[in-house]
Amino acid sequence: NAGVTQTPKFQVLKTGQSMTLQCAQDMNHEYMSWYRQDPGMGLRLIHYSVGAGITDQGEVPNGYNVSRSTTEDFPLRLLSAAPSQTSVYFCASAGGPGYEQYFGPGTRLTVT
Amino acid sequence: AQSVTQLGSHVSVSEGALVLLRCNYSSSVPPYLFWYVQYPNQGLQLLLKYTSAATLVKGINGFEAEFKKSETSFHLTKPSAHMSDAAEYFCAVSDTGNQFYFGTGTSLTVIP
Repeated sequence: NAGVTQTPKFQVLKTGQSMTLQCAQDMNHEYMSWYRQDPGMGLRLIHYSVGAGITDQGEVPNGYNVSRSTTEDFPLRLLSAAPSQTSVYFCASAGGPGYEQYFGPGTRLTVT
Repeated sequence: AQSVTQLGSHVSVSEGALVLLRCNYSSSVPPYLFWYVQYPNQGLQLLLKYTSAATLVKGINGFEAEFKKSETSFHLTKPSAHMSDAAEYFCAVSDTGNQFYFGTGTSLTVIP
């Protein structure tokens, strides 16, 4: 039981490049979400999903896309990276509304 | 939208002293409330969760929090700080259970 896994751990992109941050969970959780963590701002919700095929926007969705084709996977796509997207990204999963969220180890992204 | 306010971005206590980390939230309905801890370069771990079964919630590592509806507060306490408690602490709230809003975090330093 690996819990929530994220790849890569570190990534450096140039402005305008695209990439996908991977997130997978093996707990059969319906709820998955992506957050970004910036100094002094806590965690802010980017997108979330309440089940396969269902996604919705969070607080800061601009510049990011998500899809949920399976229960296990919830990739986050950066379409055209910008320096403002330099951050630490966390994926989380939960068994249902209001349940404890289990967090992955994070991906540290730098956009130059 | 929900909001969470954590008073004091940095708190220092002496080893053995009381830990008090403050959290106030805005919610028009009974919320889901959580405290998470983050150690350096790691994801977040759940400390405790308010379930509405009791206003005083006990968590891991000797932490507890009291839900006070009249004050819209959910402060985290621990009677005696330990060096291993040094970390970043986040309060989180949700009204629907789907979208979670995190505070900006409180960094706890424990002085030997």
